Amino acid sequence: DGGITQSPKYLFRKEGQNVTLSCEQNLNHDAMYWYRQDPGQGLRLIYYSQIVNDFQKGDIAEGYSVSREKKESFPLTVTSAQKNPTAFYLCATGRLQNTGELFFGEGSRLTVL
Amino acid sequence: EDKVVQSPLSLVVHEGDTVTLNCSYEVTNFRSLLWYKQEKKAPTFLFMLTSSGIEKKSGRLSSILDKKELFSILNITATQTGDSAVYLCAVRIYNQGGKLIFGQGTELSVKP
Repeated sequence: DGGITQSPKYLFRKEGQNVTLSCEQNLNHDAMYWYRQDPGQGLRLIYYSQIVNDFQKGDIAEGYSVSREKKESFPLTVTSAQKNPTAFYLCATGRLQNTGELFFGEGSRLTVL
Repeated sequence: EDKVVQSPLSLVVHEGDTVTLNCSYEVTNFRSLLWYKQEKKAPTFLFMLTSSGIEKKSGRLSSILDKKELFSILNITATQTGDSAVYLCAVRIYNQGGKLIFGQGTELSVKP
């Protein structure tokens, strides 16, 4: 099936631990994005990448890191420096030229205990 | 600072009612405005608007953009319980890697 796969769907971690969220796509889209969703705040952009081996910070990049070693994959690491990491994380992809809509994965819900 | 604002933030209606959701924006280099529906997890695409005054329609849903007044509306007629969701408005601007700037969302609840 074509689509975007995020894993894990649910994740619990203790304070001070890093955690990596996976995002894989087989839509052959060039651009990939990570958004964070908190209640009442809509979606906020963490990082995005338009091509392999290149990525840019979004509006709330502090405490997060990413890599784009291959077109299909854009993993997000939530580091211990992120002060309030409990949230719903959504990965999205988009076509070349950045036209049209973004396509979203099912999301990963991270809870810090 | 680029900003997208949706109103109301939440809305409760009964089946059969018509609702209008609002989205206003203040951005530089506007390119397009998009509406999404989010029921549980992944937002699903509804409409993309680039030109003023041209209504996009899909079944009971329709949307229109006013680039002079910087807003868009999403109308849902004859609402059904399956329309219950969070509706997200987002704006794309030029030269920003195709990223979308989202509003807070409107949570719609349709009661039987």
